[in-house]
Amino acid sequence: KAGVTQTPRYLIKTRGQQVTLSCSPISGHRSVSWYQQTPGQGLQFLFEYFSETQRNKGNFPGRFSGRQFSNSRSEMNVSTLELGDSALYLCASSPDRDEQFFGPGTRLTVL
Amino acid sequence: GQNIDQPTEMTATEGAIVQINCTYQTSGFNGLFWYQQHAGEAPTFLSYNVLDGLEEKGRFSSFLSRSKGYSYLLLKELQMKDSASYLCAVRTNAGKSTFGDGTTLTVKP
Repeated sequence: KAGVTQTPRYLIKTRGQQVTLSCSPISGHRSVSWYQQTPGQGLQFLFEYFSETQRNKGNFPGRFSGRQFSNSRSEMNVSTLELGDSALYLCASSPDRDEQFFGPGTRLTVL
Repeated sequence: GQNIDQPTEMTATEGAIVQINCTYQTSGFNGLFWYQQHAGEAPTFLSYNVLDGLEEKGRFSSFLSRSKGYSYLLLKELQMKDSASYLCAVRTNAGKSTFGDGTTLTVKP
């Protein structure tokens, strides 16, 4: 079974731009969660989607949004990028409320 | 909200046993997970506890006490490849998972 894939793996943007990250979960998994990981803050939960609906949401500003498609693939969008948005963005898939399988992440650098 | 505490760093010797503790405060507890993350890689699942007691999985064991809001991960017969960050994560009934900041374990020869 193929693992979780994320694209792109690396991204460089400038302040004020927007970015869209993509995640393809393991086949059959309906839950996709997004996390932001930084050295100072650890793994911070952004949101979780299950069957195309946002099921849980973390404490991030409205600039961070996401969606899930009928094939369970998910996208995360960050608008009006700030320097502090530089981080590793991890996507994790799960059948439902089970252990999560993480993708390799997208390293976003905001200049 | 949720609060998860674990030590920032630990050092142990190859072949030894190490215990990594995790304490948490949460409402609607629905399970505790341990993940391993090597530098530059994504976290990988190690163990899951939802009931009190010890779960053993080869060299790794995890313990949970729900009344004390406490868990530990026990690593036996340490190997150099066990040098990594170990993340404790608590899941609520709503399905939301909150991660601790992780414990960086260094295994020395």
